[in-house]
Amino acid sequence: GDSVTQMEGPVTLSEEAFLTINCTYTATGYPSLFWYVQYPGEGLQLLLKATKADDKGSNKGFEATYRKETTSFHLEKGSVQVSDSAVYFCALSPYTGGFKTIFGAGTRLFVKA
Amino acid sequence: NAGVTQTPKFQVLKTGQSMTLQCAQDMNHNSMYWYRQDPGMGLRLIYYSASEGTTDKGEVPNGYNVSRLNKREFSLRLESAAPSQTSVYFCASSEGGGRGTDTQYFGPGTRLTVL
Repeated sequence: GDSVTQMEGPVTLSEEAFLTINCTYTATGYPSLFWYVQYPGEGLQLLLKATKADDKGSNKGFEATYRKETTSFHLEKGSVQVSDSAVYFCALSPYTGGFKTIFGAGTRLFVKA
Repeated sequence: NAGVTQTPKFQVLKTGQSMTLQCAQDMNHNSMYWYRQDPGMGLRLIYYSASEGTTDKGEVPNGYNVSRLNKREFSLRLESAAPSQTSVYFCASSEGGGRGTDTQYFGPGTRLTVL
């Protein structure tokens, strides 16, 4: 079945460091791919998404490119801030649509000043 | 514009007690969802409602029931709580239509402890 695997955390970085959080998926066809972020004490909110191969999603300095050949959707940011400390979830929605989004386990990011 | 609201924020139950978690959205979305979040396991879908008047099981429906009261409200009921249901519960909504590209909008969550 469809699945999402993302790197285990926590990831600890200093402010202004480069961030990569790896995400790979298993799915048939061309699923839609998402990154959601959960700040402490809050619900998840969409960070960015990509709906077809080679699309790049971007928001708030974060980017991720839909790579069909490597079944990956890695999240990157060039210079992290303390306010980026949160849990990041990679997710996919199947090619056939429907209502069952599949979430990865989440990666906790700590950014130190 | 409140988005998705959930009540209560925190709840402690004893084994065997029942309770209902409430969820409402004001975005005129067709679809609504209930998830549970457990450490190291991401979010798992309990039940969803594709549109008003319909509900379907997700990945982990055992021990839960749901009601789509109207387009705005979607409640989750635990009839006889068990310690294994200790978790954080999130309600979410989306425009619906079964499109895989839909963004989901989440509520702030309910932290439930079953003793």
